Amino acid sequence: QSALTQPPSASGSPGQSVTISCAGTSSDIGVHNSVSWYQQHPDKAPKLIIFEVTKRPSGVPDRFSGSKSGNTASLTVSGLQAEDEASYYCASYAGDNNMIFGGGTKLTVL
Amino acid sequence: QLQLVQSGAEVRKPGASVKVSCQASRYGFDSYDINWVRQATGQGLEWMGWINPNSGDGGSAPNFQGRVTMTWDTSTLTAYMQLNSLRYEDTAVYYCARVDYHYYYMDVWGKGTPVTVSS
Repeated sequence: QSALTQPPSASGSPGQSVTISCAGTSSDIGVHNSVSWYQQHPDKAPKLIIFEVTKRPSGVPDRFSGSKSGNTASLTVSGLQAEDEASYYCASYAGDNNMIFGGGTKLTVL
Repeated sequence: QLQLVQSGAEVRKPGASVKVSCQASRYGFDSYDINWVRQATGQGLEWMGWINPNSGDGGSAPNFQGRVTMTWDTSTLTAYMQLNSLRYEDTAVYYCARVDYHYYYMDVWGKGTPVTVSS
């Protein structure tokens, strides 16, 4: 059971949009609508920002959006702000009560 | 809002065991499991396994099978994760999280418990 594949880094200037990809397989992302995304600042616990592919928890800005096509999910951060600089992890249900994470993407706001 | 409060940092020698606790501030586990996730320094998140507080059913990721035990104490609303036969590479921060078991997302996280394996 390999980790989902994310780019190790991404960057953008304030106000710009950035999209982070998360590649899985037909056993996880491709067959389940249980993709979630987490934001993690240094030395903090992860925070849920997207669930069920596209939904945002209460309190998460609508600058964060999620999507999925085939075996790949994506997170888009629009109108980048300094506080968006963090690591972002995707996760998916992988069957048999198992979950799997991506390797993480460090987002830098230039 | 439900909170998960984890136990403090631990140091163990290789070959030993560690038991980390995760206490809920109130009951809130209808349709939810407790999952455990770990993160080595500078590394990504690694899913370890799950336990259902209502049934006591649980399971672990293939990498941990035979070495990890997850339990739930209903009287104290506390989840436990015990990892045996510790290796240096088990040095990490261990998180508990509440997971919706219909759509498998982790909406509430503990702050993490650092575990160091050192001789």
